[in-house]
Amino acid sequence: EVQLVESGGGLVQPGGSLRLSCAASGFTLRGYWMHWVRQAPGKGLVWVSRINSDGSSTSYADSVKGRFTISRDNAENTLYLQMNSLRAEDTAVYYCARSDAFDIWGQGTMVTVSS
Amino acid sequence: DIVMTQTPLSSPVTLGQPASISCRSSQSLVHSDGNTYLSWLQQRPGQPPRLLIYKISNRFSGVPDRFSGSGAGTDFTLKISRVEAEDVGVYYCMQATRPWTFGQGTKVEIK
Repeated sequence: EVQLVESGGGLVQPGGSLRLSCAASGFTLRGYWMHWVRQAPGKGLVWVSRINSDGSSTSYADSVKGRFTISRDNAENTLYLQMNSLRAEDTAVYYCARSDAFDIWGQGTMVTVSS
Repeated sequence: DIVMTQTPLSSPVTLGQPASISCRSSQSLVHSDGNTYLSWLQQRPGQPPRLLIYKISNRFSGVPDRFSGSGAGTDFTLKISRVEAEDVGVYYCMQATRPWTFGQGTKVEIK
């Protein structure tokens, strides 16, 4: 079965860091661009970041630029999102999604930034 | 950035009746390669989003044929021919011109 499974979410204080992981199974990650999308409680979807298939090119939303870093380990079939200098407004469910078609989504991992 | 505007934001429908959601982009979504990268996603309560339609009108694998997409340029529509109980949720349009942006979402509920 083709699926994505996120992990690494949790409660963190403002200014803290977290690293999210997105493990792919049922397909080879290396063939796809990958994205992170977030959804604040009760709100809509917001694109966060994207990485190309070999990791040589990345893009970020202005709201996270300079604080978040997307990366991937194709050998481990895993996508990552390193989140530093976290703010209350980063509180959201974070989803990874496959390709520019966003055809496969993970179930999401909750990140709560609060003191 | 391209702004995606959906109407209505809420759509109460009777089971078995049709539903329609409109999505307008702030600029043309026609890519230089000739394709239009407009997709529709469904998010059922408590679930992650799911791809329904890509490139305006192509149903993704496993999507029932009661879902259809149409449109061109800046105006797009998602139609559900006969709403079923499992269709309750929030529907998002999204465009895949960088940076990727989503509509605000339209909540479909049963009357």
